[in-house]
Parts: sequence; C-alpha cells; structure tokens
Amino acid sequence: DIVMTQSPDSLAVSLGERAAINCKSSQSVLYSSDNKNYLAWYQQKPGQPPKLIIKWASTRESGVPDRFSGSGSGTDFTLTISSLQAEDVAVYYCQQYYSAPITFGQGTRLEIK
Amino acid sequence: EVQLVESGGGLVQPGGSLRLSCAASGFTFSNYAMTWVRQAPGKGLEWVSSISIIGTGTYYTDSAKGRFTISRDNSKDTLYLQMNSLRVEDTAVYYCAIYGSGSFYPGGWFDPWGQGTLVTVSS
Repeated sequence: DIVMTQSPDSLAVSLGERAAINCKSSQSVLYSSDNKNYLAWYQQKPGQPPKLIIKWASTRESGVPDRFSGSGSGTDFTLTISSLQAEDVAVYYCQQYYSAPITFGQGTRLEIK
Repeated sequence: EVQLVESGGGLVQPGGSLRLSCAASGFTFSNYAMTWVRQAPGKGLEWVSSISIIGTGTYYTDSAKGRFTISRDNSKDTLYLQMNSLRVEDTAVYYCAIYGSGSFYPGGWFDPWGQGTLVTVSS
C-alpha cells in the first residue's frame, strides 16, 4: 500500500498570509505513460463531508478560489493557500489514486493565528 | 443538482450487521463508479470499498474483506454496503461518493460526497 504522510499535522496562519501543507507518498504516484501525478486534495470543514479541491496534483476544481494551488511531482506535493481567508479554516487531506488501495494522508488542521 | 443521501446507520452490537444505502439523484448513476469512505470520530479518512459501473469490479480495504459487501442497483440509483461481523473499530461516519469523471477505476478521485451516516458498534 502507498502510505501518504502529511506535514504539519496542524498549522496556524494569520489572515492574508500564506499557508503551505505538504504531502509525501511512500512511492511515486507519477504515472510514466501519461506523465500525470495521481494525487488529489480535499478540504473538510467542521460538520461537512470532504470537498475535492485539486486533482492531478495541480488542477483546481471549478469554483475553487485561485488562492488555492497544488504543486509537486513524484513523491512530494504541496497545497498552498496564497492569502488565507477565514473560510479556509478546515482539515485538508491528500489522496493518492495511483494504485489500489486508495489511501489518504492523515490530514492537516488549518487554523487562524 | 447531484445528491447522495446515505441511510441505514445506527447502533449495533459487536458481531452484528447493518446495511447502508446511498440514494443517488441528479446524475446518471449507471455511468459512474462509486465508493464508500469512512471517518472514525475525530479521525481521518479511510477508503473502504469501491464498485465499478456495472458492479462486476469490486475492491475492499483489507479490514473489510470477507465482512463487507458493496453492491449497486442501477435500476434504483442506489449504492449499498452490507456490513457483517461488525467490530468496535468499524465505528465511523460512512460516506458514499462518486468517482470523478475522467478517473481510471479503481483509481480515482471522489466528487461529490454525501453527508454520511453514522455507524456505532458498541455493547
């Protein structure tokens, strides 16, 4: 199984500042035949189900603010929020879909400082 | 509007059984693979099981193999999860979700998710 490890476990950032969450996979999730990274990011707000925000490591979903961006390749990935807003308080998860079983990172709790 | 509504959760004793349902609407259910993901109280997300479009391809996490059965009824736009021999560690909110368009089953992202149904296994 591919193990996904996020860092940090929690993060407090001031409003308007940049937040970065890291995700590392135990093996590469870059598929050589299409040169795509099989990685997604989700946002889960309290009391709500997860919401997909990024797929293919860097493709932002429709309607997701452009302050959210995904980067990285192979085994190391980053979700960046360029200017933190109050509504971004949530737990963020990375997920690999390169191989079964599908696995998630343990989550990173993002709060306002 | 796409809607996924889970039901069937509740309190069950260890060793008992439950059948979860996920009623889908607002999209062509028979065109999408589906999945169940669970979240123990205060914990992270854990993929449980997935099923292909016509139901012939199923996958399970190791802890669910032999105990859980995923199925679907495309005539009723409904996804199911039959859970037998339940354990205390199966306690969680169970979400159903749709495989994203463009996914390569069994790999894929999940979008959107239902609101979930709580399963509590306790004596």
